[in-house]
Amino acid sequence: SQTIHQWPATLVQPVGSPLSLECTVEGTSNPNLYWYRQAAGRGLQLLFYSVGIGQISSEVPQNLSASRPQDRQFILSSKKLLLSDSGFYLCAWSRLAGVYEQFFGPGTRLTVL
Amino acid sequence: AQSVTQLDSHVSVSEGTPVLLRCNYSSSYSPSLFWYVQHPNKGLQLLLKYTSAATLVKGINGFEAEFKKSETSFHLTKPSAHMSDAAEYFCVVSDKLNTGKLIFGQGTTLQVKP
Repeated sequence: SQTIHQWPATLVQPVGSPLSLECTVEGTSNPNLYWYRQAAGRGLQLLFYSVGIGQISSEVPQNLSASRPQDRQFILSSKKLLLSDSGFYLCAWSRLAGVYEQFFGPGTRLTVL
Repeated sequence: AQSVTQLDSHVSVSEGTPVLLRCNYSSSYSPSLFWYVQHPNKGLQLLLKYTSAATLVKGINGFEAEFKKSETSFHLTKPSAHMSDAAEYFCVVSDKLNTGKLIFGQGTTLQVKP
């Protein structure tokens, strides 16, 4: 069966510090991968998605970047965090585009102080 | 363009009574629709999905939803609420023409009173 992992589970970082969140998927190959952010009391915002190694699409201009160095690894990064980067970050995968549902990881709670 | 509207931001029911969470969608073609549930500080879990097969879809934990094309609705129901059903629920449509990205509703918070 397929599983998706995210770490760390929680993170408190000072403004201006770097960020690296990691997501890995097991039990499948060539997944589509997604990063979402969920601000307090709000819905999900798609940040990045990837259909293959090294292929990243950005949905909104922001202080974050994403990379996919391996087929089942997706990394969310920032060089300098802003207060507005605080939120709940979710990674997800899907088999193929179109009708297939996405499966979500447990999330990372990021607080920028 | 596809969109989804959850008609209630907050629903409160008593334990043992029926649950109805309303969702309307907009799509220029036959959509794929999903309901997800999110408990506090957890990831999203798929409750059920509609992908142009049977219009009445049964999901986990006793939930079901009915696809009504004439009403462009995909309401989520459960005959009898349990305390553990208290969570945030998202109605979602898949944008088939755009790399299968999911378009999320704003969510409905379900409160279950004892």
